[in-house]
Formats: sequence, structure tokens, C-alpha cells
Amino acid sequence: IAGITQAPTSQILAAGRRMTLRCTQDMRHNAMYWYRQDLGLGLRLIHYSNTAGTTGKGEVPDGYSVSRANTDDFPLTLASAVPSQTSVYFCASSPTGGVGYTFGSGTRLTVV
Amino acid sequence: QKEVEQDPGPLSVPEGAIVSLNCTYSNSAFQYFMWYRQYSRKGPELLMYTYSSGNKEDGRFTAQVDKSSKYISLFIRDSQPSDSATYLCAFDQTGANNLFFGTGTRLTVIP
Repeated sequence: IAGITQAPTSQILAAGRRMTLRCTQDMRHNAMYWYRQDLGLGLRLIHYSNTAGTTGKGEVPDGYSVSRANTDDFPLTLASAVPSQTSVYFCASSPTGGVGYTFGSGTRLTVV
Repeated sequence: QKEVEQDPGPLSVPEGAIVSLNCTYSNSAFQYFMWYRQYSRKGPELLMYTYSSGNKEDGRFTAQVDKSSKYISLFIRDSQPSDSATYLCAFDQTGANNLFFGTGTRLTVIP
């Protein structure tokens, strides 16, 4: 089934630890995105990539980094997790010139 | 002023009711107007989109856009328990590497 796969589904992480959230798509979409979703704040863009080899900062990039080595994969890394990074993280993708994004099922991250 | 405002609800209706969900926006550069549906513990999925003022219908769902008032609506006719979800409005602006989302309205349809 075409779509976006995110891993892990959920994770409890000790503060200060490093963690990488994985995202893989099989739709050959050029653009990929990472959002966090928090109650009352909605979806906020962390980082994006318009094409393999390029990345950009979104609304809330601090504490996060991304890479885009190929079209299909777009991992998100928390270098040193803090409790305020407790959230649900969604990866999304879109085709060039397309309307709307396809989202993964999310990763629930709790930083303690 | 936020670029997108959406009433968070929650909204609870009996099965078969007509549901109206609304968003206002302030950015005149928005060109595409979308509605996403998000079931509990799932990612948002695109329900409908339009790029012009007026109505667009898809089955029991109607998306309405009023650009002059900067107001969009989603109507659900003959609502079903399976429509219970959070509905998010979203807006696209050419050249922006982002969609602008509302915070979502949680809908429960009671059998």
C-alpha cells in the first residue's frame, strides 16, 4: 500500500538522550515535511525538504535536525531531548505541483 | 491575529444531523482551501479541497469558500458515527513551503 511509514509508533525517552524518528515514503513525492501536533496549538512545521539534498527550517526548528539523502527517506533527529519536545510527530509528503499532503500515522514521543 | 482561526469544539450531534464546521483566515494570498479529517491516533487525511469561492460537493460533504469574507465551511449531511473525528481546515499559499492549519474541531456523531 502506497504511503508513508513512520517508526517508532511511540517512544518514551529520557531527557538528554538523542533520538531519530524515521520516515519513509513510496510515492516518489519530491517534498517532505515534519510536523508536531500539540493540543491547542495544532500542527506546526518543524523542517521541510523540497527535493533530495535540500532542507529548510519551518516554524519550530530549534532542537531538531533533518537530512534528505534520497527521495524516499526523511529522518528527524532530536540531538538532546527535552520535556517540551513531548508531542505527536507527523511526517508528510507532497508531489511537485500537487495539492495537499499525505501524512503518516505519527510517532507519539514522551520525554521524561 | 492568527492567520487561521477554527473553533475547537467539541461538537456533538445526533446521527443524521447536518454538521457545519468553519474557519476564518486573514491571509489574502491563500489560494487553496482544504479540509482534513483526522481519526484518533491517526494522521490527517485530505478530505476535500477547492481553489475558488463557491461550493464543491462530494457525496455527503460540501466545502464552501467565501473569499470576500475570508471564511470557509465544511458541511456534512446525514452525519454518521463514522464521521466522528477531528476536522482541520488548511490553506496553501504558492511559494510557501508549508500548509497553514487550523487547530481542528473535534466532532462526535452519536448513534
